[in-house]
Amino acid sequence: NAGVMQNPRHLVRRRGQEARLRCSPMKGHSHVYWYRQLPEEGLKFMVYLQKENIIDESGMPKERFSAEFPKEGPSILRIQQVVRGDSAAYFCASSQGSANTGELFFGEGSRLTVL
Amino acid sequence: GENVEQHPSTLSVQEGDSAVIKCTYSDSASNYFPWYKQELGKRPQLIIDIRSNVGEKKDQRIAVTLNKTAKHFSLHITETQPEDSAVYFCAASSGNTGKLIFGQGTTLQVKP
Repeated sequence: NAGVMQNPRHLVRRRGQEARLRCSPMKGHSHVYWYRQLPEEGLKFMVYLQKENIIDESGMPKERFSAEFPKEGPSILRIQQVVRGDSAAYFCASSQGSANTGELFFGEGSRLTVL
Repeated sequence: GENVEQHPSTLSVQEGDSAVIKCTYSDSASNYFPWYKQELGKRPQLIIDIRSNVGEKKDQRIAVTLNKTAKHFSLHITETQPEDSAVYFCAASSGNTGKLIFGQGTTLQVKP
């Protein structure tokens, strides 16, 4: 059973470009969470999605950021018009039910560098 | 809002000593409190968790305690080993949607 798969593992973008980060949850998991981690900082919640639905996006910046988890295919975190402050590691995690009912499994992260 | 505070931010101990990391949370509806270990450049991995109906849980050298009244929970590592060196994160579930809110992390260094 493959774990949570994230790609790309490393992404370099210039200011103003778009970044797309993909996450395939563990098999059988329908709950996906995105977290952002700045260097030497904690994991900041961004968004919680279930298939085709956004459950909680309270941690997502109102502009330039969007997320989706379509019926088929991976979850996508999209950052438009990137700025240097978007440079961070973005972790996706999945669970079978909501995170408070079972273990949350993390992917290896996507490290975004904005030049 | 929902918040988890974690202390200390860094902790250095001698091999064989104990290490204690403490967290407080703000959401009284939180009912699940996991601890994650993250080695440098790696994914966070669950090491132990506790639910609100339990006060203490132990797994070999690690234990977690929960005080719901005070909204405190702690991680205890006994007989520390160099391979315990990592960043440890506590988390509390949101009473609203069940998502996990993480503390700021504790960098533990175990000196041989």
